[in-house]
Amino acid sequence: ETGVTQTPRHLVMGMTNKKSLKCEQHLGHNAMYWYKQSAKKPLELMFVYSLEERVENNSVPSRFSPECPNSSHLFLHLHTLQPEDSALYLCASSLNPAGTAVGGELFFGEGSRLTVL
Amino acid sequence: GENVEQHPSTLSVQEGDSAVIKCTYSDSASNYFPWYKQELGKRPQLIIDIRSNVGEKKDQRIAVTLNKTAKHFSLHITETQPEDSAVYFCAASTPGAGSYQLTFGKGTKLSVIP
Repeated sequence: ETGVTQTPRHLVMGMTNKKSLKCEQHLGHNAMYWYKQSAKKPLELMFVYSLEERVENNSVPSRFSPECPNSSHLFLHLHTLQPEDSALYLCASSLNPAGTAVGGELFFGEGSRLTVL
Repeated sequence: GENVEQHPSTLSVQEGDSAVIKCTYSDSASNYFPWYKQELGKRPQLIIDIRSNVGEKKDQRIAVTLNKTAKHFSLHITETQPEDSAVYFCAASTPGAGSYQLTFGKGTKLSVIP
């Protein structure tokens, strides 16, 4: 258990639905992330929040909308998704920004497996 | 931006043999290289990392080597065991304006055959 919890673990939705993914960490970390993991592709960084402020939006379509109400919680709101958005969505947190040699280790959640019909 | 190439995409070895996974990066400013392991159906977890001022680092059966001149780094697993079967991701961290950019490779699926 790494201390990062994601819900739901599995989600099936139609293209016209609105749903949300939730991530929670109680590790005292300052940064939280959403990654998209698709087959045979690198982990794709979607959003980065540092101290509850969005610091990076990696050209993600507007049908994905993140929300970070406090340093322990991160949401990904989904609406009018496309079948190609089906993937595993991983939340992660780190003490310092990812890539920092000290404190930059990413702690991932188990992921939310999303299927868009 | 940084580009990380990882090879091979799949690797099968007999239990007890060694496995080597190689990654190359494009940005000479990258200075930190972590490796993550993702077992089937589980979350990625950091297993080892190396900084650019070090050429090699070992932790029991795993080791990572870095060649800054050639811009490549490798993961070495000796005496492989079935529990080493997983997808391994390399990454390169590039410092930027007050932050870091972490770029992942596509992953290598390692299968250890008992």
